[in-house]
Amino acid sequence: EDKVVQSPLSLVVHEGDTVTLNCSYEVTNFRSLLWYKQEKKAPTFLFMLTSSGIEKKSGRLSSILDKKELFSILNITATQTGDSAVYLCAVGQRGGGATNKLIFGTGTLLAVQP
Amino acid sequence: NAGVTQTPKFRVLKTGQSMTLLCAQDMNHEYMYWYRQDPGMGLRLIHYSVGEGTTAKGEVPDGYNVSRLKKQNFLLGLESAAPSQTSVYFCASSWTGSGTEAFFGQGTRLTVV
Repeated sequence: EDKVVQSPLSLVVHEGDTVTLNCSYEVTNFRSLLWYKQEKKAPTFLFMLTSSGIEKKSGRLSSILDKKELFSILNITATQTGDSAVYLCAVGQRGGGATNKLIFGTGTLLAVQP
Repeated sequence: NAGVTQTPKFRVLKTGQSMTLLCAQDMNHEYMYWYRQDPGMGLRLIHYSVGEGTTAKGEVPDGYNVSRLKKQNFLLGLESAAPSQTSVYFCASSWTGSGTEAFFGQGTRLTVV
């Protein structure tokens, strides 16, 4: 059974801390791994990773994929209260038909305290 | 830029009632999806569509039906609502499937009493 597992389930840090969120997967016909940020409403796209070892970076956020060990990490440096959210990891599969979907993890709830 | 729009945003139903959730996207995307999100369960795919006139079952399709009569619209129907269908429903769309970036609507919070 295909699955995506995120850890930790929740995390409380103080402003300025650096955090690392983890996502491991067991998914057939892997194509891509995506990170989303979900505040009160809709998940918003952060990164899509398809190749091992190539870091994607956007401001204080960065992510990298290891296709051999089947995991990805999302790093946030110098955290701010606006980073408080649920961070979702999702994996997409190759091929057509029933594989045209994203398999989501349950998310990591990050709370950044002032 | 509207993106993906869901209506309604909130709804309370009595057990046995029916309703339709509407999703509209203005990005000319081929693929559209309906997910439900429950505490501790993550986002689970209900049904999806790979193009106008097509629909397919996802992970948790029972109790729901869908239609995609127009490319920009994807409807989710509950024929006889049950308390187990209390959830937050998200619609999403993407250019192609197979793990490309999906854009999400703002969600519909449905409570079945």
